[in-house]
Amino acid sequence: GQNIDQPTEMTATEGAIVQINCTYQTSGFNGLFWYQQHAGEAPTFLSYNVLDGLEEKGRFSSFLSRSKGYSYLLLKELQMKDSASYLCACMDSNYQLIWGAGTKLIIKP
Amino acid sequence: DTAVSQTPKYLVTQMGNDKSIKCEQNLGHDTMYWYKQDSKKFLKIMFSYNNKELIINETVPNRFSPKSPDKAHLNLHINSLELGDSAVYFCASSQEVRETTDTQYFGPGTRLTVL
Repeated sequence: GQNIDQPTEMTATEGAIVQINCTYQTSGFNGLFWYQQHAGEAPTFLSYNVLDGLEEKGRFSSFLSRSKGYSYLLLKELQMKDSASYLCACMDSNYQLIWGAGTKLIIKP
Repeated sequence: DTAVSQTPKYLVTQMGNDKSIKCEQNLGHDTMYWYKQDSKKFLKIMFSYNNKELIINETVPNRFSPKSPDKAHLNLHINSLELGDSAVYFCASSQEVRETTDTQYFGPGTRLTVL
């Protein structure tokens, strides 16, 4: 079966760095997405990785290892507004997105 | 201007009723989707349309019927609503011709509560 695993909840301190991990098992692989979802709002796109390595975009970076079925989202210089759920999603061989349940990130002052 | 819009944002109704949720995108995208996000926060694909043609139809009760009058609109009609239909329904779109990996853009969601 297809499966996306990520921690349910994480807590971090304002100004710090946090890494949110995601492991996946899908039938085929056409890339991995990270989305941010604030409470009561729609998911918004953060990053897309299809090749191994690190993609950096401002304070956010995303890493992929296809051989390990593993990705992480790295958030630096955390701000209170970064409190949200972070959804990992893989695109399978049929180009369908398989979603994780999301990691709720709580930022404390 | 809102890229992907949905109406209504909140919908409260009684079991057994029929209701519709509307979705419109002004991004010129070819593909639109309906997702259901339940209390456990999993996003589950329900339907996908590409240029008004149904391309994904997951295991969804046939009480749910999508309708795409044109490629900018994908409405969701639900018959005989049940308690388990309570969830947030998201519409999304992507500039996708089949078999590509374009980013999906989501609407604000419709919170459906069935009493």
